[in-house]
Parts: sequence; C-alpha cells; structure tokens
Amino acid sequence: DSGVTQTPKHLITATGQRVTLRCSPRSGDLSVYWYQQSLDQGLQFLIQYYNGEERAKGNILERFSAQQFPDLHSELNLSSLELGDSALYFCASSVFVATGELFFGEGSRLTVL
Amino acid sequence: ELKVEQNPLFLSMQEGKNYTIYCNYSTTSDRLYWYRQDPGKSLESLFVLLSNGAVKQEGRLMASLDTKARLSTLHITAAVHDLSATYFCAVANAGGTSYGKLTFGQGTILTVHP
Repeated sequence: DSGVTQTPKHLITATGQRVTLRCSPRSGDLSVYWYQQSLDQGLQFLIQYYNGEERAKGNILERFSAQQFPDLHSELNLSSLELGDSALYFCASSVFVATGELFFGEGSRLTVL
Repeated sequence: ELKVEQNPLFLSMQEGKNYTIYCNYSTTSDRLYWYRQDPGKSLESLFVLLSNGAVKQEGRLMASLDTKARLSTLHITAAVHDLSATYFCAVANAGGTSYGKLTFGQGTILTVHP
C-alpha cells in the first residue's frame, strides 16, 4: 500500500458525460501528479500540483482540468467524454524535492461507452 | 522532446536464467526510475537512480545508470515466476523543478515460466 488513495476504483459512463476522480496523497506529500495509462498511448503525464498550485502540465486535453485543495487532496475533472478517454488514471504523490520518487495510487479505471 | 525506449518489449524467460532489459533515453537527464506493474494494478517503485554510474540491487534485480550513454539497464538474475510483471523505466525531464514529470518507456512484459 503506497499510502495514496484514489476513488472511485472503477467508473463506467457514457460519451458526453463528465466525471470527477479523486486523490488523497500520502501524509506529508505536497505534490500530486496525474497520469493516464492507455493501451495506445502508454503512461502519460497529465498535470502536477504542488501545495495547491499548478506546477507542470503535460499532454492534458482542454476537456480535462484538475485542482488541489487546501487539505492537499486533488480532483481530476474529465468532461465531454469520448470513447478514447477510456483509460486507467493514476494519481501519484511525492515529497517535492528529495529524490523525485513517485508513489502511485491504485488508479481509477474509466470506461466510456 | 524526451523519448524513452525500452527493449525488449516482450520477454519470455525460463526460471533460473538471467536477462537484461534496456532503457534508452534521448535527452540529458540524471534521474531515472524503474517501476513494476502487475496486471490491472498500480505501479510499484523498484529503483531510483540519481547519478551517473549509480547501481542499485534488490533481490534478483539490479539496475544501473549511464548518463553519458543515456542508458539504464535492469538485470534479472536467476529468474523466478514471481518476477512476472511489466517493468517500466521512467526518466525525469532535465531542468526545472518538476522532477515528478516523468516520461515512461513502453514497458517490458516479462513472463517467467518453468
């Protein structure tokens, strides 16, 4: 158990809908990262937050957005969902500087029908 | 743009044999990570390599980093069935302060059979 908690574990929804994925980082970690894992794209970095502020952005679609709250939990919002958004979405956290080692949650598997 | 390539992508090994997975990356970085993923599960951190010449070992796995060659290796010694999983290398983008912005390789699916 990495200490990173993600909910929900599984989510099935229809095209055009909107979903929110939630992540609680390890105790004491200020940085939260979101990654997407799909068969065709592999593991891709989406976005990073540090202590409530966006720190880095990757290949995140405009239909997707994220935020980190004062209690350090983070949410990833996916809207106008398309079939191609079906993937495993991972949240990871780290001590900001240190080694940069990431600790991943169990992931949220999103299926868009 | 940083690119990370692993080979082989598929590796079928007999128990007791040795093999090496290679991870090449395209631009300068001095931070490289190896992760393990079991089917449908999370990513488990195996090794953190932070400098040229770094070598880390844990059980039957040993990882090394050559930043000049932009190459890391994951060596498997005397494979056992429990090592069957997908192994990813990931490289941190050089510069900036976002060390957690990792570029992952495609993954190597390792199957160890009797």
